[in-house]
Amino acid sequence: SQQGEEDPQALSIQEGENATMNCSYKTSINNLQWYRQNSGRGLVHLILIRSNEREKHSGRLRVTLDTSKKSSSLLITASRAADTASYFCATDASSGGGADGLTFGKGTHLIIQP
Amino acid sequence: NAGVTQTPKFQVLKTGQSMTLQCAQDMNHEYMSWYRQDPGMGLRLIHYSVGAGITDQGEVPNGYNVSRSTTEDFPLRLLSAAPSQTSVYFCASSYGGWDGNYEQYFGPGTRLTVT
Repeated sequence: SQQGEEDPQALSIQEGENATMNCSYKTSINNLQWYRQNSGRGLVHLILIRSNEREKHSGRLRVTLDTSKKSSSLLITASRAADTASYFCATDASSGGGADGLTFGKGTHLIIQP
Repeated sequence: NAGVTQTPKFQVLKTGQSMTLQCAQDMNHEYMSWYRQDPGMGLRLIHYSVGAGITDQGEVPNGYNVSRSTTEDFPLRLLSAAPSQTSVYFCASSYGGWDGNYEQYFGPGTRLTVT
């Protein structure tokens, strides 16, 4: 069963605007990861946030985690056409910290309009 | 490094046929996994391995077998293909370890159609 659920399912914005995607999950986690998938390609890891962290930055990406609400958000600032992709959150609930395999949400499809 | 490689890229099978999807990684990762991706379903874990000789089932293991005889290779076998196995299959590997670096590296995928 899906652990994470992204919201919205689809998002279309103008280039240069910020894009925010949300992820909710059901059980306690060790860490939460965000991945990007370009059309027809494999997934690429973007950022990992641990359960004891509240916010993390990587370039134009900002991820927050609220374990009390079991939710995370991914913010992409100053969006570019190349950011057009599907974005997935993935959680681990195992004692192994996720190395055994992650549980993925259904993804948010982001379209950046030029 | 080539990273995670998968073959074939595309495959068409008839119902009842068997085949093996190949996956290899050259990063010396202990952990490897197989996922399937269906429209509107996200990725679902089929089988995973925490090291050579050790495998376990994921969320949707029925109809699939795996083995891990070496660190590098993790093939996925379809025993008797069914139309419900039409999907895109992704292999992934990760370092794991005590530093908590569980980023997964994905292969490019195999698009399988069963008629």
